[in-house]
Parts: sequence; structure tokens; C-alpha cells
Amino acid sequence: KAGVTQTPRYLIKTRGQQVTLSCSPISGHRSVSWYQQTPGQGLQFLFEYFSETQRNKGNFPGRFSGRQFSNSRSEMNVSTLELGDSALYLCASSLSHNTYNSPLHFGNGTRLTVT
Amino acid sequence: AQSVAQPEDQVNVAEGNPLTVKCTYSVSGNPYLFWYVQYPNRGLQFLLKYITGDNLVKGSYGFEAEFNKSQTSFHLKKPSALVSDSALYFCAVRDRGSTLGRLYFGRGTQLTVWP
Repeated sequence: KAGVTQTPRYLIKTRGQQVTLSCSPISGHRSVSWYQQTPGQGLQFLFEYFSETQRNKGNFPGRFSGRQFSNSRSEMNVSTLELGDSALYLCASSLSHNTYNSPLHFGNGTRLTVT
Repeated sequence: AQSVAQPEDQVNVAEGNPLTVKCTYSVSGNPYLFWYVQYPNRGLQFLLKYITGDNLVKGSYGFEAEFNKSQTSFHLKKPSALVSDSALYFCAVRDRGSTLGRLYFGRGTQLTVWP
């Protein structure tokens, strides 16, 4: 079974631009979550989607948004990029949004560099 | 508020020696606890989880963790370390009142096993 797939692996953008990151969950998984990983702040929760609905949201500005499609694939968008948005963005999938025995399965991430 | 503390940024052990990576948590109610490992330029890999039941949990690659409710700890252990165990280890907690995709992570502990 294929794992969580994130594309692209690497991105370089300029301040003020916007970026879209993509995540394909494990087949059969319907819940997708996004995390930002930086050396300074560690792993921070961005948002979670299930059945095309946002189920939970972390403490990030409105420049960060996401969506989920009917096939469970998810995208996140960051508008008006700032230097501080440089990070590894991780996507994770799970079977459901309330199956508490299920761990999260992470992709390899998208490394975003803002110059 | 939920939080996880990993008091050691770095743990160094010799191959063949036992290893311990420490984790303490703060969460309302009974926690769900997880350990993940991250190799360079990769996402997080699930190692093990504590949901309920036995305090000693066995996971992947020979790792185990001991849940101690009175000390609010969930230390990761392995009887005999391998050089290939060298990686970044994260402890995480899920609040039972939250959704599946939201985990609170510690800052991570870099484990180095030397030959």
C-alpha cells in the first residue's frame, strides 16, 4: 500500500508570492492533517480535514488555508509569503477523524524556502 | 493546556547499550501517547502508542515505552541500541476531547548511537 504522498518535495518562493502544496493520503484514509515544522517552533498543527470539511484548526494566520477534495486528497495554500514561512510542511492521514486508536501516518513533507 | 516536554535535546549512547529517551506530558484526563521517529529529510514514522491497558507498550524496531501515570511520563526505551537508531525522536499526546489529527508534540530529542 502506498504511503502518504506530498508534492512537490522542494519549493523556493519569493516574499509576497503564494504557494500551494498537495497531499495524497493513504488509500482508504479519509482524514488529512497538516503540520508545520521549524527549528524554532518545532511541530505545529495547522488544520485537519475530513469529508471535505475542516474539523480542527491551529493557531495560524488566515494566510494559511486548506481544502480537501472528494477523493480525500488535500491541498494547503499560503498567501503573501513571509520569510518566517520557510519550513517543512508535513501532511498526515488517518482512517477517520475520531478513531482514536489510529496513529497518524506522515508523508515526507514539502520543504518550502522563502527568499 | 496540553503539552509535552522532552527534557533532553540530545542523547548519546554506545551501540549495544540500553537507551532511554524521556518524555513527560500534561493533558486533561487520560491521554493518548505516541512516539515517532524522524530521519533526515523524511517525515515522521510511527513507533508505538499507549491508549489504555498495560503500562509497558512494545512497538516497532525493538522499541518499547513505559507509561507512568503518577509521574505523567512516557519514556522510550530500547535494551540494546543500534547505530541505525540514530535519528530525531518525538513524543506526542492527543487530548481525548480533540480530533484525531491534532497531536501535541515535544521539541524532539536527537539520539546518536556511536559504534
